Amino acid sequence: KAGVTQTPRYLIKTRGQQVTLSCSPISGHRSVSWYQQTPGQGLQFLFEYFSETQRNKGNFPGRFSGRQFSNSRSEMNVSTLELGDSALYLCASSPGGGAVNTQYFGPGTRLTVL
Amino acid sequence: DQQVKQNSPSLSVQEGRISILNCDYTNSMFDYFLWYKKYPAEGPTFLISISSIKDKNEDGRFTVFLNKSAKHLSLHIVPSQPGDSAVYFCAATEGTGANNLFFGTGTRLTVIP
Repeated sequence: KAGVTQTPRYLIKTRGQQVTLSCSPISGHRSVSWYQQTPGQGLQFLFEYFSETQRNKGNFPGRFSGRQFSNSRSEMNVSTLELGDSALYLCASSPGGGAVNTQYFGPGTRLTVL
Repeated sequence: DQQVKQNSPSLSVQEGRISILNCDYTNSMFDYFLWYKKYPAEGPTFLISISSIKDKNEDGRFTVFLNKSAKHLSLHIVPSQPGDSAVYFCAATEGTGANNLFFGTGTRLTVIP
């Protein structure tokens, strides 16, 4: 089975711009979660989508948004970029459903905001 | 407020010896715990997990111990190998379908040949 894929792998933007990141989960997985990894804060949960609906949300401002398509692929959007948004953005997929499932991570998108 | 803490940023161990990585948590609602290994420029790779109904789970060279009363878990790697050198993250969640993991800040393990 192919793993979680994320595109693009690297991105450079300037302050004030917006960016869209893409994540394709493992085939058959219906849950996609997004995390931000920074040196100071570690990995922090952004949000989770399951069956095209946001099921959980972390403590991030409204500039961070996402969506999920019917094929379970997910996109994350950050508007009005700030320097502090520079980070590694990771998505993780799991089967979803009612039980706790192990999440499998993609390689991440490295976003640099200048 | 860091609900999952890994107080040792780094650990060095000789090849063949035991590596013990520690993790503490503050939220008593956490009932499912996971360990991930991360190499540079890659996403975290799942290693092993444990439910709060157990106090030990073993998978090959990796064993996770959970002490609920102390809100503490540890990962034992025996014997340690140079390929184990990576950053190890512990994570926790409240279960019942919740897919938001709370991560520690990681411990960099170096296994010296």
